[in-house]
Amino acid sequence: SQQGEEDPQALSIQEGENATMNCSYKTSINNLQWYRQNSGRGLVHLILIRSNEREKHSGRLRVTLDTSKKSSSLLITASRAADTASYFCAPNQAGTALIFGKGTTLSVSS
Amino acid sequence: GAVVSQHPSRVICKSGTSVKIECRSLDFQATTMFWYRQFPKQSLMLMATSNEGSKATYEQGVEKDKFLINHASLTLSTLTVTSAHPEDSSFYICSARGQGQETQYFGPGTRLLVL
Repeated sequence: SQQGEEDPQALSIQEGENATMNCSYKTSINNLQWYRQNSGRGLVHLILIRSNEREKHSGRLRVTLDTSKKSSSLLITASRAADTASYFCAPNQAGTALIFGKGTTLSVSS
Repeated sequence: GAVVSQHPSRVICKSGTSVKIECRSLDFQATTMFWYRQFPKQSLMLMATSNEGSKATYEQGVEKDKFLINHASLTLSTLTVTSAHPEDSSFYICSARGQGQETQYFGPGTRLLVL
């Protein structure tokens, strides 16, 4: 297992703006997963991108994966106040537990 | 989507007592379950991984005699914090994964306060 390193650690934007957060990791993966955690809650799975995929969309979410650079990005378009949360990436090798970094704390103000 | 529940959501206990936290997968069979701990403003720390019917594998630094994990069925895992101390106060989150699944689904967490 390995953890991802999210960047930036904190991000403050206005409603309607886009939010981009990045994730870097060190060794090869089978997939990379993004999760959201609202304050005092468990993690919610957002999206999984496999190592042979370069881009994936889900609603207002767009995830990219560059295995040559060992990095991923999560873009949230047209952000809303309800998107305020911590976001974690989890680079994953098959059969192993997910390990989490410090995450990106996103604050969306109206 | 897959749903994982935890019970209780919040518990307060006296120092020296034991507390049991349940984690259930409601609509899938969880062949593997994971327990994490999260201190305020910190990330989740993996405590242990358990496969149904087997002993749990604990991460380095996690005392297996203090944090007893049982995964006796494909839908239930329990974490028992034995002889709890104030420093065990934390947010405990379980996660479950089914056979052949790549995604881990997380419970809502249990906040433990030891007085």
